[in-house]
Amino acid sequence: RKEVEQDPGPFNVPEGATVAFNCTYSNSASQSFFWYRQDCRKEPKLLMSVYSSGNEDGRFTAQLNRASQYISLLIRDSKLSDSATYLCVVNNFGNEKLTFGTGTRLTIIP
Amino acid sequence: NAGVTQTPKFRILKIGQSMTLQCTQDMNHNYMYWYRQDPGMGLKLIYYSVGAGITDKGEVPNGYNVSRSTTEDFPLRLELAAPSQTSVYFCASSPPGNTIYFGEGSWLTVV
Repeated sequence: RKEVEQDPGPFNVPEGATVAFNCTYSNSASQSFFWYRQDCRKEPKLLMSVYSSGNEDGRFTAQLNRASQYISLLIRDSKLSDSATYLCVVNNFGNEKLTFGTGTRLTIIP
Repeated sequence: NAGVTQTPKFRILKIGQSMTLQCTQDMNHNYMYWYRQDPGMGLKLIYYSVGAGITDKGEVPNGYNVSRSTTEDFPLRLELAAPSQTSVYFCASSPPGNTIYFGEGSWLTVV
C-alpha cells in the first residue's frame, strides 16, 4: 500500500459546482497534513494545512479523519481558476520526509 | 521576496555529463529538500537536509549527490547524467514539521 494515495482523476466539474476529493495515508503516526495546489508547469504551492478539528478558508474546507486515516478537500462554488492538480502531503514527525500523493487533477468547465 | 531560488531553470545535458543544480533560500529554514517530478507523476524525494552539515537520502538518491555547507545553500550534483534523469527538479525548504516552500523548478533534459 502506498504511503499516500489519491484518486488521480481527472475530475471535470462545471463552474459553480461543489467538488470533494479524499486522500488516504498508511502511517497512523503521521502528524501534519497539507493540501498543495500545483498549476501546469509550476511549483506546488500551499493551499491549506489540515487541522484535527477541520478548517475552512473561504470556499475551501479541509478535514482530517484519523480513525480512517484520510484527509479531504471540499471546494464550493468552484471557479475556472480552481483548475489545477491538488496534492495531498503528509509529514511524520521525527522523520522529516514529507510524502506527497500523486495528485488529483481538477478541471472546472465553463 | 526571494524565498527559494533555483538555477538554472532549463538545461539540456548529454549522456555522461555532470552538472550542479543550485538552490538557495533566504528564510533561514533548517530543512531543505530536493524532489524530482516526472511527467504525470508525483514528487519523489531525492535528498534532504535538516541543517548545515547534515544530509540524508530520500526515496530516489542514486545518481545524485548533495552538500549543505551553509543554511542557505543546498546544491544537487548529477554525476554521469542518464536519460532516466530527465525530469523537473524542485528544491524546497521548511521550518521543522511545517509548511514547505518550493522553488520554481529546474527542467532538465538528458539526451
